[in-house]
Amino acid sequence: AQSVAQPEDQVNVAEGNPLTVKCTYSVSGNPYLFWYVQYPNRGLQFLLKYITGDNLVKGSYGFEAEFNKSQTSFHLKKPSALVSDSALYFCAVRDIGSARQLTFGSGTQLTVLP
Amino acid sequence: DADVTQTPRNRITKTGKRIMLECSQTKGHDRMYWYRQDPGLGLRLIYYSFDVKDINKGEISDGYSVSRQAQAKFSLSLESAIPNQTALYFCATSDQGDRETQYFGPGTRLLVL
Repeated sequence: AQSVAQPEDQVNVAEGNPLTVKCTYSVSGNPYLFWYVQYPNRGLQFLLKYITGDNLVKGSYGFEAEFNKSQTSFHLKKPSALVSDSALYFCAVRDIGSARQLTFGSGTQLTVLP
Repeated sequence: DADVTQTPRNRITKTGKRIMLECSQTKGHDRMYWYRQDPGLGLRLIYYSFDVKDINKGEISDGYSVSRQAQAKFSLSLESAIPNQTALYFCATSDQGDRETQYFGPGTRLLVL
């Protein structure tokens, strides 16, 4: 079975500071990993994904994530947060060998304070 | 994503009523999905369809049914609504060549009294 955990329901960061949103996963095989973002009253939007290759993945709006196989983590990062980054962030995983669909985490609310 | 539309956007209904949520897409994608979102639980997959003749149950299909009327249309029905089906419902699409990059509609907020 595949699962994903986002240990923080809420993350607050000051504008201009670096931000990190944490994600850990569990799969029996190899993972595909994803980050999606949800702005208020909107559907989810794709941010970035790790399929294979370089462990550091760059995505939309200056976000990046690092795949760490030994720690089974895929944390989302941005060097300098903007107030407009405030949103709900979801990590998702698919076990390549055994699953047909994504499993989403419970979400982390990011608030960037001006 | 404006290419994925959902109707209605908001719905209030009573326990025991049958309701249908509709999803249409103009992206030309073959795969469509229905999710529900509950606070603290993230998104959970209800049903998914890889093409018109391929319908699959997701994690939480009990109490729901779906119809894929055409490649562009995927409807979700609650045969007899109950209060714990109160949630935010999302339709999503993806292309066979990149199935994990999903494109979401704006959501339908459903309240069952």
